[in-house]
Amino acid sequence: KQEVTQIPAALSVPEGENLVLNCSFTDSAIYNLQWFRQDPGKGLTSLLLIQSSQREQTSGRLNASLDKSSGRSTLYIAASQPGDSATYLCAVSLSGDYKLSFGAGTTVTVRA
Amino acid sequence: SAVISQKPSRDICQRGTSLTIQCQVDSQVTMMFWYRQQPGQSLTLIATANQGSEATYESGFVIDKFPISRPNLTFSTLTVSNMSPEDSSIYLCSVDGTNYGYTFGSGTRLTVV
Repeated sequence: KQEVTQIPAALSVPEGENLVLNCSFTDSAIYNLQWFRQDPGKGLTSLLLIQSSQREQTSGRLNASLDKSSGRSTLYIAASQPGDSATYLCAVSLSGDYKLSFGAGTTVTVRA
Repeated sequence: SAVISQKPSRDICQRGTSLTIQCQVDSQVTMMFWYRQQPGQSLTLIATANQGSEATYESGFVIDKFPISRPNLTFSTLTVSNMSPEDSSIYLCSVDGTNYGYTFGSGTRLTVV
């Protein structure tokens, strides 16, 4: 069974600092890995999708890396803003399986 | 990627009653997924809904409690039956956009009193 762990569970930084969020998974036979953002009481917004053959994806201030062999992904958010305050979730799917396994999330607070 | 419209966005319900949540997708999809997110927890898959067949439920979830309909390739409903306060959660539907990854609805925040 795929286990997904996210560290840290919570993070508070002043505005302008770079954010580093970590995700680890136990089964390296992943099909893809996806990072989501969730605002309180809301649904999930997809941020970045990394296919198993890729090493990283970038979108604006966001960059996500993937190291399948070590079972890790890192989400970097540059020059954080108060609007980046949310919970960030990492999810992986295994090859041949449509199910997503989620981490517990990292709750980010960016202080103005 | 697909766009999902989920209704209602929130509701407060009396224990013992039922609530039906709807998800409408702007394109045809083979599988739709229903998740539950209990307070302070991550997402747990309830079931997978395929058009034209019975939904497949995950361990710990049963059809009598969470009946699902999938009448066509763009629509699905999840009913939370005979509710208790323990059912207070956010319920989300999702579809697999293959090359675009998974897309989620905006969620239904359910409070049972």
